[in-house]
Amino acid sequence: SSELTQDPAVSVALGQTVRITCQGDSLRSNYASWYQQKSGQAPVIVIFGKNNRPSGIPDRFSGSSSGNTASLTITGAQTEDEADYYCCSRDSSDNLWVFGGGTKLTVL
Amino acid sequence: QVRLQESGPGLVKPSETLSLTCTVSGYSISNGYYWGWIRQPPGKGLEWIGNVYHSGSTYYNPSLRSRVTLSVDTSKNQFSLKLSSVAAADTAVYYCARPQYGSDTNWFDPWGQGTLVIVSS
Repeated sequence: SSELTQDPAVSVALGQTVRITCQGDSLRSNYASWYQQKSGQAPVIVIFGKNNRPSGIPDRFSGSSSGNTASLTITGAQTEDEADYYCCSRDSSDNLWVFGGGTKLTVL
Repeated sequence: QVRLQESGPGLVKPSETLSLTCTVSGYSISNGYYWGWIRQPPGKGLEWIGNVYHSGSTYYNPSLRSRVTLSVDTSKNQFSLKLSSVAAADTAVYYCARPQYGSDTNWFDPWGQGTLVIVSS
């Protein structure tokens, strides 16, 4: 099964744009899904598919993908966006799922 | 609206079997879909444990396959996780969630609130 690699930590100034990336071979054939996890809470899906946001997720969250890299972009980061972000993908060859190691986002 | 709720012992002794149940509301498991388990050790990242189909077919994380059993009880609208021969490294918050499959994407939604299981004597 494949692995997904994320930067451990990223910071962004309030109101600025930040991109969180996720790399892995399974991303060449499947889009990643992205989860936001705030301290002490369960993860929440923020992006899935090419660039789909579930109901209730602000439109400042967007997703993109190129080759083996998926990206989550927050345009105009807010203090409430400070959280851990995880990417996830399924390997179509063996139907096994994997999470990235997570990126801790700090909003300065 | 589908809701998931984990339940089970919060403390398990080393070498014993961890058993958790996820109760589904707002949807009948017998109608279909996969159901899954994910865990998160304190201060660490998410780890996929496995998925089980309503008919009972399963997919497991290779790193846990030898110790994990997932099952479905359609009469109770529940699905369950059993993890044998536990050790301190199995201490984690355990989440149940519904894996969703698209043509070119896959995601987990919704999630349960999670339940902390501590492995200690």
